[in-house]
Amino acid sequence: GENVEQHPSTLSVQEGDSAVIKCTYSDSASNYFPWYKQELGKRPQLIIDIRSNVGEKKDQRIAVTLNKTAKHFSLHITETQPEDSAVYFCAASIYDYKLSFGAGTTVTVRA
Amino acid sequence: GAVVSQHPSWVICKSGTSVKIECRSLDFQATTMFWYRQFPKQSLMLMATSNEGSKATYEQGVEKDKFLINHASLTLSTLTVTSAHPEDSSFYICSARELTMGEAYGYTFGSGTRLTVV
Repeated sequence: GENVEQHPSTLSVQEGDSAVIKCTYSDSASNYFPWYKQELGKRPQLIIDIRSNVGEKKDQRIAVTLNKTAKHFSLHITETQPEDSAVYFCAASIYDYKLSFGAGTTVTVRA
Repeated sequence: GAVVSQHPSWVICKSGTSVKIECRSLDFQATTMFWYRQFPKQSLMLMATSNEGSKATYEQGVEKDKFLINHASLTLSTLTVTSAHPEDSSFYICSARELTMGEAYGYTFGSGTRLTVV
């Protein structure tokens, strides 16, 4: 099955700085790569996603890049704000079926 | 957008009893529902995949006789934790797969159920 690794496990940044989270996946057949933000006790919220036919996608302060050759994808958050503090998960799916999640990154934005 | 309603949001039960968790897709037909378990400060671990009208497929290490999944209709899937024990205490969350804009699939999560077995 698909194996997704995520780094770092924790990330502390100063407000206004950028945050980068990186993930690698094992199965080259994976074609869908979403990123989720989860607050304590809540459901994961999709913040951005990318499909294998695209190399980069941006939505305001959030961007995702995908390198299919290296089988890794990254989340970039610019101009971080305190409300960006949460746990972030990357995920990958093969042929749009079941999602495999990374271990998560706890992001803390220091005011 | 698509909504998946999950109930109950939290439940406390005695050891040895069974608990049923429901997930309903409110404005779309969920042909496939995924059930996850999440322990504190850990990731979401897929337990099983259910397709409407057929038996669920369980991930390795998940006891199918303990975690009963029923997906009898296109809008309702249930997870029953049978003979629950304290180690089953966790956050259970469902996710429905839906075809978005007729082109690609998206995933909609339920709000989760916090199960505490005492």
